[in-house]
Amino acid sequence: TQLLEQSPQFLSIQEGENLTVYCNSSSVFSSLQWYRQEPGEGPVLLVTVVTGGEVKKLKRLTFQFGDARKDSSLHITAAQPGDTGLYLCAGTGNQFYFGTGTSLTVIP
Amino acid sequence: GAGVSQSPRYKVAKRGQDVALRCDPISGHVSLFWYQQALGQGPEFLTYFQNEAQLDKSGLPSDRFFAERPEGSVSTLKIQRTQQEDSAVYLCASSLAGVNQPQHFGDGTRLSIL
Repeated sequence: TQLLEQSPQFLSIQEGENLTVYCNSSSVFSSLQWYRQEPGEGPVLLVTVVTGGEVKKLKRLTFQFGDARKDSSLHITAAQPGDTGLYLCAGTGNQFYFGTGTSLTVIP
Repeated sequence: GAGVSQSPRYKVAKRGQDVALRCDPISGHVSLFWYQQALGQGPEFLTYFQNEAQLDKSGLPSDRFFAERPEGSVSTLKIQRTQQEDSAVYLCASSLAGVNQPQHFGDGTRLSIL
């Protein structure tokens, strides 16, 4: 059972386009993390958000934690082929819950 | 090495065989987690250790799955009488302490049951 639903599940876009990935839950989390995973490797942490309404920027990536700490979004500006991968949100409660994943392909 | 190390990277076994997967966490990391990941999907929690204590094993799918961390460092995930549905990537992660700390992942063991 996965408490965090991500959308879209698959996304294929052209280089230079913008995109947003959503991570939604009915549960409240004390913190939320975003990871990127490439084939054959483990997930790598991108960012942790803790405060409701918090916005963090990491170069072309913008992460937002919902006011109620139940949802989050990841926005990528001017996507590049190197952004291709599986993006995972993960929430911290009594356990550590991963989202269902969004597979992003950026076409050169 | 500085990261989480898992071995073997690939394991092929016949249905009914027992397998053992190893995880070497980052030195000094108190917490260790095991996950199961199907292709293209998010990892699913299996179990969690704090030092040698297994604090949560609610994600283990059946009593054929067993994990241990006897000295609070290296951990082994054992699957007995493997079945085809056990085929997946098994990920190990470690953190400084607890579920609220960022987790550092190994590259996983890809298990294929024939």
